[in-house]
Amino acid sequence: KAGVTQTPRYLIKTRGQQVTLSCSPISGHRSVSWYQQTPGQGLQFLFEYFSETQRNKGNFPGRFSGRQFSNSRSEMNVSTLELGDSALYLCASSLVPLAVRSSYEQYFGPGTRLTVT
Amino acid sequence: EDKVVQSPLSLVVHEGDTVTLNCSYEVTNFRSLLWYKQEKKAPTFLFMLTSSGIEKKSGRLSSILDKKELFSILNITATQTGDSAVYLCAVECRQGGSEKLVFGKGTKLTVNP
Repeated sequence: KAGVTQTPRYLIKTRGQQVTLSCSPISGHRSVSWYQQTPGQGLQFLFEYFSETQRNKGNFPGRFSGRQFSNSRSEMNVSTLELGDSALYLCASSLVPLAVRSSYEQYFGPGTRLTVT
Repeated sequence: EDKVVQSPLSLVVHEGDTVTLNCSYEVTNFRSLLWYKQEKKAPTFLFMLTSSGIEKKSGRLSSILDKKELFSILNITATQTGDSAVYLCAVECRQGGSEKLVFGKGTKLTVNP
């Protein structure tokens, strides 16, 4: 079974630009969550999508948005990039959403390393 | 403000030692607590804990939650060099109609041969 894949793996953008990152979950998984990891702030939760609907959201500004398609693939978009958006962006997939705690288990992709100059 | 604090920040042990990692939290509307292991790549999900006093176990790793005292511990027995990693704790809490995860800064464990 293929794991979670993220594209691109590395990206360099300039301040003010926008970027779209892609995540393909494990086959059969319908929940996709996104995270930002930086040395200063650690790992932070961005949002979770399940069945094309945003279920949960962390404390990030509206410049960070996402969507999920009918095949469960998800994209994350960051508009008007700032230097502080440089980070490793991770996505993780699970069979069930976070709220189904009795059987929750998630698998992470390798991440996209975004550098904003 | 929701807060998750892990201790110690780093720990160096020898193979065969037993270690205990701590995670305390102050959040509103607690839902669950999760543990992850992160080596030089993406995190690996270890456990999700929702009930106090019920130990979750996977091989040499085990974890328990105390919802009264607001903390969890992760135990690793008979440590191996492959256990060297950053261990992250996250708390799921409800805010404004949805759940979110709040992460601690992690405990960096180094296991020397």
